[in-house]
Amino acid sequence: NIVMTQSPKSMSISVGDRVTMNCKASQNVGNNIAWYQQKPGQSPKLLIYYASNRYTGVPDRFTGGGYGTDFTLTINSVQAEDAAFYYCQRIYNSPPTFGGGTKLELK
Amino acid sequence: EVQLVESGGGLVQPGRSLKLSCAASGFTFSNYYMAWVRQAPTKGLEWVASITNSGGSTYYRDSVKGRFTISRDNAKSTLYLQMDSLRSEDTATYYCTRDNNYFDYWGQGVMVTVSS
Repeated sequence: NIVMTQSPKSMSISVGDRVTMNCKASQNVGNNIAWYQQKPGQSPKLLIYYASNRYTGVPDRFTGGGYGTDFTLTINSVQAEDAAFYYCQRIYNSPPTFGGGTKLELK
Repeated sequence: EVQLVESGGGLVQPGRSLKLSCAASGFTFSNYYMAWVRQAPTKGLEWVASITNSGGSTYYRDSVKGRFTISRDNAKSTLYLQMDSLRSEDTATYYCTRDNNYFDYWGQGVMVTVSS
């Protein structure tokens, strides 16, 4: 099975900063990656699908990129409400494996 | 408005069974694959099982194969997860999700605690 590895595990950022988090697949998955945001006590929310497509209603400060095995989620001008866990996921084929997550904290 | 509402969670002893339900509304249920995803306390997300729109094919993670059964009733717009031979490591919040190749809608989750 394909393993999804996210880095870093956590990061502490100031409001207004730009942040990039990484997701690495153990095999080529093309553009079959999604990104989710999960805030404490809430269900995950879809942010990005097929690596770079922003989901309906997602602010344009969220940008997904990458292809093959290396993917990124960038948040431009981080806002206080962006403090959350972020998960990547291999999609389209089974099993739809999640990465271990990146925790984004605000200073 | 799409809604997914899970029910059926609770405290259960190891080795016993529990059946989760997910009532769907706001979309044509029979047109979509569906899935269950779980999250153990303080841990990350873990895909559990998926089912095709007709219910004709099902897929499971290795650790639940032979113990869990995903099913659906398209007439009732309801998804199920029958969990047998439960283990302590199955303790988690279980989410029902719509599988549009990516998981675009999620329920609020239901807690399952396996403990004696």
